[in-house]
Amino acid sequence: AQTVTQSQPEMSVQEAETVTLSCTYDTSESNYYLFWYKQPPSRQMILVIRQEAYKQQNATENRFSVNFQKAAKSFSLKISDSQLGDTAMYFCAFRPTSGTYKYIFGTGTRLKVLA
Amino acid sequence: EPEVTQTPSHQVTQMGQEVILRCVPISNHLYFYWYRQILGQKVEFLVSFYNNEISEKSEIFDDQFSVERPDGSNFTLKIRSTKLEDSAMYFCASDQDSGNTIYFGEGSWLTVV
Repeated sequence: AQTVTQSQPEMSVQEAETVTLSCTYDTSESNYYLFWYKQPPSRQMILVIRQEAYKQQNATENRFSVNFQKAAKSFSLKISDSQLGDTAMYFCAFRPTSGTYKYIFGTGTRLKVLA
Repeated sequence: EPEVTQTPSHQVTQMGQEVILRCVPISNHLYFYWYRQILGQKVEFLVSFYNNEISEKSEIFDDQFSVERPDGSNFTLKIRSTKLEDSAMYFCASDQDSGNTIYFGEGSWLTVV
């Protein structure tokens, strides 16, 4: 079975500092997508960043970047220059490129950015 | 920027009542999904829909649930006889191309009392 594990239920970071959220996954698939979604208090799910497993280069999106280690099945999210608006629940998600339509989500990490 | 819209944002219903949650996916998207999130828990897949039929469903999506695309824009989730444990946030999502990135709506918060 495919699983996604986020081992940090809660984290906090000072404004302007950098924080890294961990995610590991388990799959026998060789091709898949990985995502980080943000869920602020409004509860909307907002895409932060996406990575295709066949790409060796780590995805970046402004202050957000990932460290994708395929062999280790690890997909961490780094937030640089943290802002108060980054306070949210962050979910890691996985989806194979074929065979299923569903995304599998981790249990989330609640991030609080402190002023 | 185009977005997925959902109505209602919040609905309270009596146990045993039927509920319909509505979604308008992004206009050029072809794949549609419903996910749910029970308070404090992770987001769970319910069903995917493509070409006017269910393409995949989870074990959660039993006979009490159904989906429909009654016209060219709306995508609905019906719960026939709600139970207390159906209380959750229900997210509609769509994507243009299976395997691409899915975009979520803002969710419909369902409370069954």
